[in-house]
Amino acid sequence: DGGITQSPKYLFRKEGQNVTLSCEQNLNHDAMYWYRQDPGQGLRLIYYSQIVNDFQKGDIAEGYSVSREKKESFPLTVTSAQKNPTAFYLCASSASRGMNYEQYFGPGTRLTVT
Amino acid sequence: GQSLEQPSEVTAVEGAIVQINCTYQTSGFYGLSWYQQHDGGAPTFLSYNALDGLEETGRFSSFLSRSDSYGYLLLQELQMKDSASYFCAVRSRDDKIIFGKGTRLHILP
Repeated sequence: DGGITQSPKYLFRKEGQNVTLSCEQNLNHDAMYWYRQDPGQGLRLIYYSQIVNDFQKGDIAEGYSVSREKKESFPLTVTSAQKNPTAFYLCASSASRGMNYEQYFGPGTRLTVT
Repeated sequence: GQSLEQPSEVTAVEGAIVQINCTYQTSGFYGLSWYQQHDGGAPTFLSYNALDGLEETGRFSSFLSRSDSYGYLLLQELQMKDSASYFCAVRSRDDKIIFGKGTRLHILP
């Protein structure tokens, strides 16, 4: 089955620690995205990547970092510099040259930092 | 900058029709999408409009007017399972996709 996997589903960390969220897709999609969702809020774009070894900042990139060494993988690191990291993190991918640019989302990771 | 505006909540009756509006302001526009998200779940794709007009997919339709920077999602024959949040999203240059804050749809029996 093709899709996007994110792990873990729930993650707990102490303040001051960096944490890396995993995102893997086997859809052969070129573009991948990371969004943050806070309760009752929309999805805010953190980083996105159109191609391997290249990525662009979204609207709320401060305190986050990413890498895109493989087409299938787009891990997100939440650094200690992120002031309010507790949130629901969603990874998505799309065929950037597709007909409708449909984004496929992973199940998400709920990060709690105390 | 880029921004999308949609109502925060809409309430409708089971079996009725509801329209969720979205206005956008972006630097470069390549299309408007709609997504559905149930509580605790991930968003799922509903529709995409790149050109003006109405796109129909079963009970759901989506409309776009690029000259007005406006679109809407129309849900017909509402069912209780349609209770969810609905997001509009704009694709701008470089495949950047920005979402609105979402509209919570409440359906009354």
